[in-house]
Amino acid sequence: AQKVTQAQTEISVVEKEDVTLDCVYETRDTTYYLFWYKQPPSGELVFLIRRNSFDEQNEISGRYSWNFQKSTSSFNFTITASQVVDSAVYFCALSEGFKTIFGAGTRLFVKA
Amino acid sequence: GAGVSQSPRYKVAKRGQDVALRCDPISGHVSLFWYQQALGQGPEFLTYFQNEAQLDKSGLPSDRFFAERPEGSVSTLKIQRTQQEDSAVYLCASSFLAGGSTDTQYFGPGTRLTVL
Repeated sequence: AQKVTQAQTEISVVEKEDVTLDCVYETRDTTYYLFWYKQPPSGELVFLIRRNSFDEQNEISGRYSWNFQKSTSSFNFTITASQVVDSAVYFCALSEGFKTIFGAGTRLFVKA
Repeated sequence: GAGVSQSPRYKVAKRGQDVALRCDPISGHVSLFWYQQALGQGPEFLTYFQNEAQLDKSGLPSDRFFAERPEGSVSTLKIQRTQQEDSAVYLCASSFLAGGSTDTQYFGPGTRLTVL
């Protein structure tokens, strides 16, 4: 069975701090996709990144960066110089076939 | 362009009532997904449509749950004889490509169902 684990339930940081959200996944497939989504207080899930299992290059987009380590089945997400607007619940997800398996989410509080 | 829309945004039902939740996907999107999100949890997959074909309904929790997408665009999730454990936010998502959830999904705002 596939599984996505986000061990950090809640993280609280002060503005401008860097923060890393952890994601560990389990799958028996050789081909799969990983995602990160943001769910702000308004409730609508917002896509952040999609990565396939053959591409282990790390990616940076502005203040966001992702570290995909296939050897440890991890796909961690770092926010550099966090801002209050980053406060949200962040979900890591694993896709196979028709299904997407979401982790339980990490709630990030960024205080001014 | 318009995103995924869902209606109603909020629904209160008495236990035993039937409810119907609507999803309007992004125009031209082939794939459509329904998820159930309980409070404090991640979304749980319910069912997947490719155009009008329901290719995966393995996540539907019971035979009280039924989904359809008869013309390959708008979809309806119906819950019969609602129970209190059905209280959750029901999310709809669509994606451009066929073949399931390897493509980026765009989510609607959800319908919050409360069963009293």
